[in-house]
Amino acid sequence: RKEVEQDPGPFNVPEGATVAFNCTYSNSASQSFFWYRQDCRKEPKLLMSVYSSGNEDGRFTAQLNRASQYISLLIRDSKLSDSATYLCVVNKETGANNLFFGTGTRLTVIP
Amino acid sequence: NAGVTQTPKFRVLKTGQSMTLLCAQDMNHEYMYWYRQDPGMGLRLIHYSVGEGTTAKGEVPDGYNVSRLKKQNFLLGLESAAPSQTSVYFCASSSTRTTYEQYFGPGTRLTVT
Repeated sequence: RKEVEQDPGPFNVPEGATVAFNCTYSNSASQSFFWYRQDCRKEPKLLMSVYSSGNEDGRFTAQLNRASQYISLLIRDSKLSDSATYLCVVNKETGANNLFFGTGTRLTVIP
Repeated sequence: NAGVTQTPKFRVLKTGQSMTLLCAQDMNHEYMYWYRQDPGMGLRLIHYSVGEGTTAKGEVPDGYNVSRLKKQNFLLGLESAAPSQTSVYFCASSSTRTTYEQYFGPGTRLTVT
């Protein structure tokens, strides 16, 4: 079973729409969670951390459900510039060799 | 401040050839990583380093070697390339305090024919 599983999409949404992605993780001992963003043919970049209490950064909201072992990312008022692949990332333990990346969910925002 | 740089950006190899990918970072990070990214597989860790002179195996180390002779550089070597090593290779670095925030280079697209 994969450490992190995501729906690959693609999600095609019109500008201004609200879209949500979910991600599940297999190891209940996982400690922390993140969303990375990867533009087409570019490198991944950290988008935001996911806190147990949920957190918001502008139009982006991240939620964690430890009981069900899933993480969500909500994007409100989608912009064309939000088109990218969103990678769910789980930090299993402390130390250097600790991040597990999901395969990503592809989002295309349509004018 | 260039962040993380990788050379080359593209390369085509024939089966059995060797090559070295170079990664350099100017953020004084202790930790450096090499990943490969394949369709449907996500990023997979090949090797990593927690400091100058030290390296360790990641999830998919077979067929690759690495060296970290200087803190700012991390080299990935393919001694005898195979078609299964066709992939996009990313180097990354992080501080010891925030290992979850990894800074990635622009990637190297490698095709082995």
